[in-house]
Order: sequence, then structure tokens, then C-alpha cells
Amino acid sequence: AQSVAQPEDQVNVAEGNPLTVKCTYSVSGNPYLFWYVQYPNRGLQFLLKYITGDNLVKGSYGFEAEFNKSQTSFHLKKPSALVSDSALYFCAAVHGSSNTGKLIFGQGTTLQVKP
Amino acid sequence: GAGVSQSPSNKVTEKGKDVELRCDPISGHTALYWYRQSLGQGLEFLIYFQGNSAPDKSGLPSDRFSAERTGGSVSTLTIQRTQQEDSAVYLCASSPPGLAGFNEQFFGPGTRLTVL
Repeated sequence: AQSVAQPEDQVNVAEGNPLTVKCTYSVSGNPYLFWYVQYPNRGLQFLLKYITGDNLVKGSYGFEAEFNKSQTSFHLKKPSALVSDSALYFCAAVHGSSNTGKLIFGQGTTLQVKP
Repeated sequence: GAGVSQSPSNKVTEKGKDVELRCDPISGHTALYWYRQSLGQGLEFLIYFQGNSAPDKSGLPSDRFSAERTGGSVSTLTIQRTQQEDSAVYLCASSPPGLAGFNEQFFGPGTRLTVL
């Protein structure tokens, strides 16, 4: 079965420090990979995606993610965290040859950035 | 421009009643998805519509769940004879024309369903 895993329920980081939110995937073929963020009482917002090409993708709000095929990972990173980055982050995958685009989500990681 | 809208934002119902949840996608978006977000199951795909093609209903958890999309725009998710385990936030998303999966999905704020 295809799946996405986010091994950390919560990540705590001090403001100004770099942050990493981990994601691994198990998807046959070439996956399309996404990161979404959810703020309290709001829907999911797209951050970035990897389809093909450069393994390092840059997205909204200064976030970036690195696709690592050998480790089947797609970790989310930011060089300097802000308190406003505190939210729930979801990694998601789509089978590259999917004709529906339905997302397989990880269980989510709560990011807490402390001043 | 306007984003994906969903109504109602909150719905409280009694076990056994039917409910209808509405989604208005972004104008011009041809793909529409329904997902369910619950504490126990996380985010789950329910159903996918693309233009005039037959929907992908593979994520619907039981035959009590159904959805339709009229005129390629507004969608309604119907849950019949609601059960307590149906309590969740139901999210709708849409995406623009193009290769399915290639485009990011734009999510609505969700409908929080509580079944008493």
C-alpha cells in the first residue's frame, strides 16, 4: 500500500533557528510530493511541490524541501524559523502516473516555534 | 480572487439524520476533491471529480456517503443515516485544468460535522 510517514508528531524550535520537518514516502513509480500547512480553524494551504528536476524546491514563506530518492524522503526546511510559522504541516504524495491526483497524506507534524 | 468556499462551517446533527455539505470551487477549476480530517484517521481522500468524467469514488467509506457535482461546478457531499464515527472536518479542494496530480490543490476552510 502506498503511504506517507511523518515520524514526528511535534517539532519544537526556537525563533531564528533552522527547522526541519521530516517526511518519508512509499509510493510506487515516480511520486509527486507536496507540503501543505494548516493554521488553526483554516483549510490547508499549499507550500511547495516536487514534480521533477532539481531536488531542492523552494516554496512560500521561505520554506524549501529536498527530494531524496534513495532515502525516499522529502523533508521540509527553513533556515530561520518565525513564531508565525507555528502550525500543522502535512506532507502528501501522488502517484506520478495517477489519473486522479488524489493525495495521500502523512499524519501531520505540529511545529511550535518559541520566541 | 475568491477561494474555495464550503457551507455550513459547522453542522451538529443527531445520529441517524441525513446531512448535506456544500462546496463551491474556484471558478475555472475542473478538478474537485473531498477529503475527511479526523483525529483517528488523519486526512483521507473521499471522492474526486474531473470535468464530465465519471468520479473516482474509491475513498468513500460506506454506501451512506455520496456526492454529486452539478454543472461542473458546485458539489454536494451527502451522508445518510449519520453515525458518530462520521464526526470529522470535511474538506473540499479544487485544482485548475491540467495533468491530475501535477497541480496543487486549493482547499476550502472545511465543514466541521458533529454527530451526537
